[in-house]
Amino acid sequence: AQSVTQLDSQVPVFEEAPVELRCNYSSSVSVYLFWYVQYPNQGLQLLLKYLSGSTLVKGINGFEAEFNKSQTSFHLRKPSVHISDTAEYFCAVSAGGGADGLTFGKGTHLIIQP
Amino acid sequence: DAGITQSPRHKVTETGTPVTLRCHQTENHRYMYWYRQDPGHGLRLIHYSYGVKDTDKGEVSDGYSVSRSKTEDFLLTLESATSSQTSVYFCAISTGGADTQYFGPGTRLTVL
Repeated sequence: AQSVTQLDSQVPVFEEAPVELRCNYSSSVSVYLFWYVQYPNQGLQLLLKYLSGSTLVKGINGFEAEFNKSQTSFHLRKPSVHISDTAEYFCAVSAGGGADGLTFGKGTHLIIQP
Repeated sequence: DAGITQSPRHKVTETGTPVTLRCHQTENHRYMYWYRQDPGHGLRLIHYSYGVKDTDKGEVSDGYSVSRSKTEDFLLTLESATSSQTSVYFCAISTGGADTQYFGPGTRLTVL
C-alpha cells in the first residue's frame, strides 16, 4: 500500500513571493506522482504529473515540481504567486500499473495575501 | 474539459434512506472512479470500475455499492444512508495506466 503526506495544511504567502508546497510519499513499488488543484466549489484539475524521465516536471500556471526518489518527495513550487493561485492543492500517488485509483494527501490550502 | 457530469449536484436526505448518485461520461474511457472528500482527509477512493460490469473496492467501500451497466454510466448507491456519509462525492475517469484522472464537478450529499 502507498501513502502520501502533505506536511502543511495551510501555507500563507504574500503575492508575488515564491512558494513551495511539500509532499512526501511511501510505496513499496514504483509510482506515478500527481499534483491537483481545487478552486472553491469546483472539481480537481491536474497541475502536473511525474511518470518517468526528467525529475523536474513543469505544469500549468507556472507551477513545477521535482521528484526526489532518495527522499521520496515531490514538492510543488512556483517562483511568484498571484492572488488567483488561492486554492487547495493535493498531492497524489498511483502505484504499480496505475489503474486502481489514486491515493491522495490531505491537501494544502494556499492562501495568497495582498 | 473532460465530458463528465454528476447528478444530482446537491442532495439532502434522511438517515436510513437509499441514495443513488450518477456519473456520466462522454469520453468512452474504460476506467471510472468514485471518491469522497472530507475536511482533513483529502479524497479517498470508494470503488472503481475497469469495464462494464467490472468493479472493485477502494479504501472506504463499506456502506457503498456500485454498478456499471454501460461504458458511460457509473452509479454509486448508499443502501441506507448514515450521517457519516455526509460528504462531497467526486467521480473521475481515465484510460488507465499512467493516464491522468479527470474529475467531475462533484455531488454534495447531506444526510440528516
